[in-house]
Amino acid sequence: SQQGEEDPQALSIQEGENATMNCSYKTSINNLQWYRQNSGRGLVHLILIRSNEREKHSGRLRVTLDTSKKSSSLLITASRAADTASYFCATRTSYDKVIFGPGTSLSVIP
Amino acid sequence: EAQVTQNPRYLITVTGKKLTVTCSQNMNHEYMSWYRQDPGLGLRQIYYSMNVEVTDKGDVPEGYKVSRKEKRNFPLILESPSPNQTSLYFCASHRGGEQFFGPGTRLTVL
Repeated sequence: SQQGEEDPQALSIQEGENATMNCSYKTSINNLQWYRQNSGRGLVHLILIRSNEREKHSGRLRVTLDTSKKSSSLLITASRAADTASYFCATRTSYDKVIFGPGTSLSVIP
Repeated sequence: EAQVTQNPRYLITVTGKKLTVTCSQNMNHEYMSWYRQDPGLGLRQIYYSMNVEVTDKGDVPEGYKVSRKEKRNFPLILESPSPNQTSLYFCASHRGGEQFFGPGTRLTVL
């Protein structure tokens, strides 16, 4: 069963705007990760946040984690056309399973 | 260069003809996984392995087998492929955090 659920499923924004994607999950986790995938290619790791962390930054990315609500958000600031991709959250459970959500498709219009 | 390699990258086969997709990593990672990706479903974990000779079922293990005789290799075996196994397959490895993904194998079962 899918633990991670991203919201929205698709997002279209203008270059320069910020993009926010949300992820919800169901069971307790060790960490949550965000990945990017360009059309049918391998996934690229963006950022990992551990269950005892609340916020993490990496360049134009900001990830938050709320374990009480079992949710995370990924914010991409000052978006660029090159950010166009699908974004997935993945949770690693205490049983070491990794569960991906169905993804958010982001389109950044130049 | 640190990488995960998969072979073949593309495969068209017929129902019932046994096949193996190889996966190899050069990062000395203990943890390796196989995923399948289908439209609208994100990535679903098929099997994972915490170390040599240790494998566990993921969310969708039916119809697949794996083995982990060496740390670097984690082949995926389809003993009797069926059309519902037509999908994009990814192998990944990690050691406690960021997952490194292979380039993917696009499998079509006729």
